[in-house]
Amino acid sequence: QKEVEQNSGPLSVPEGAIASLNCTYSDRGSQSFFWYRQYSGKSPELIMSIYSNGDKEDGRFTAQLNKASQYVSLLIRDSQPSDSATYLCAVNSSGNTGKLIFGQGTTLQVKP
Amino acid sequence: DAGVIQSPRHEVTEMGQEVTLRCKPISGHDYLFWYRQTMMRGLELLIYFNNNVPIDDSGMPEDRFSAKMPNASFSTLKIQPSEPRDSAVYFCASSWSSGNTGELFFGEGSRLTVL
Repeated sequence: QKEVEQNSGPLSVPEGAIASLNCTYSDRGSQSFFWYRQYSGKSPELIMSIYSNGDKEDGRFTAQLNKASQYVSLLIRDSQPSDSATYLCAVNSSGNTGKLIFGQGTTLQVKP
Repeated sequence: DAGVIQSPRHEVTEMGQEVTLRCKPISGHDYLFWYRQTMMRGLELLIYFNNNVPIDDSGMPEDRFSAKMPNASFSTLKIQPSEPRDSAVYFCASSWSSGNTGELFFGEGSRLTVL
């Protein structure tokens, strides 16, 4: 079992729709969770972090965390073509908090 | 402020040659990470340093890979000898311990092609 799992996609949504990206992780002791966005040919950039169960909203982005289910998600409301990118879920290792483990990423395509 | 600076941006070399990748972290950051990204394996952590000291090198694939951080503003990742399977994009990232170490700032990456 991979430590951090994501559906590779591509996930295709029409402009203006809600895009839902999901991630599961295996380390039950993990405490910190992140979403990074990576445009093609570019480096990853942090867009959201979440540390406690529930929802965290930032503009059009909402991160959701359920530690009991070991599940993290990212919702993008009013999706724009500029949101088309690969979204990487990342989780801190509980036994080694400096260690950040990334999922394979989900490619999102927002069609005009 | 300057971000994380990596060099070279692109490197094409032949199998068996030595490759050295360089990184300058953001000033004040005390964590430095080396990641490798391929289509097949995604983004893999190779090694990370805290205050110039290697903390976890369990991701370094084999003895051909080595990394150093002689001071707070410079790190190298060396591959000797290089092999075609080492072809990947190598990212350096840094963060600071007063924040959460998951909030990484990545360089633009070094794209390595080994022929």
